[in-house]
Amino acid sequence: KNQVEQSPQSLIILEGKNCTLQCNYTVSPFSNLRWYKQDTGRGPVSLTIMTFSENTKSNGRYTATLDADTKQSSLHITASQLSDSASYICVVSGRTGGFKTIFGAGTRLFVKA
Amino acid sequence: DTEVTQTPKHLVMGMTNKKSLKCEQHMGHRAMYWYKQKAKKPPELMFVYSYEKLSINESVPSRFSPECPNSSLLNLHLHALQPEDSALYLCASSQGLAGASPSRTDTQYFGPGTRLTVL
Repeated sequence: KNQVEQSPQSLIILEGKNCTLQCNYTVSPFSNLRWYKQDTGRGPVSLTIMTFSENTKSNGRYTATLDADTKQSSLHITASQLSDSASYICVVSGRTGGFKTIFGAGTRLFVKA
Repeated sequence: DTEVTQTPKHLVMGMTNKKSLKCEQHMGHRAMYWYKQKAKKPPELMFVYSYEKLSINESVPSRFSPECPNSSLLNLHLHALQPEDSALYLCASSQGLAGASPSRTDTQYFGPGTRLTVL
């Protein structure tokens, strides 16, 4: 069964600290993995996208890693800011003849002053 | 212009009403999507249009009726909805069909959503 599991479910950190969010997937065959940031009541915004051959991708203070062998990805946030408080969603697309995209349940991040 | 716009931002309707949600993009994207999102849950795919043709319907009840008048517009017609249909409805678009082939890295660009409340 194709699944995308994220951990932790929620996370509270102090402003300025770093944090790492995890995403494990069983989607196969794999096409690409995307991380999105979603503020409450708003649409998701793309942070990074990685294909099978990419191990890491950065976007400012966000760095995503991918291990296609172990089917794991992480999103590292450096020097967190209050505005980083949001849900972070891992989305995996499968390499099939049709369309197959699986959303993770998300990690809810709270950054406190 | 990397923006997907959705109107209205908020919609309150009764169970006997007929209303429509609208989505627009001018990025030349050929794939457009409707998602439904309940609070604290990930988006759930409803419909996918590819080159203005409906390519995926995820067993959505017929009270939801999508329409793609042209490559830039996507509508979702609502009729006889139930209170449990209250949710954030998100539209998205991508250059091609996301995940359809190994080389495609089509990022889906999401609109801000329409917050729908069914009374």
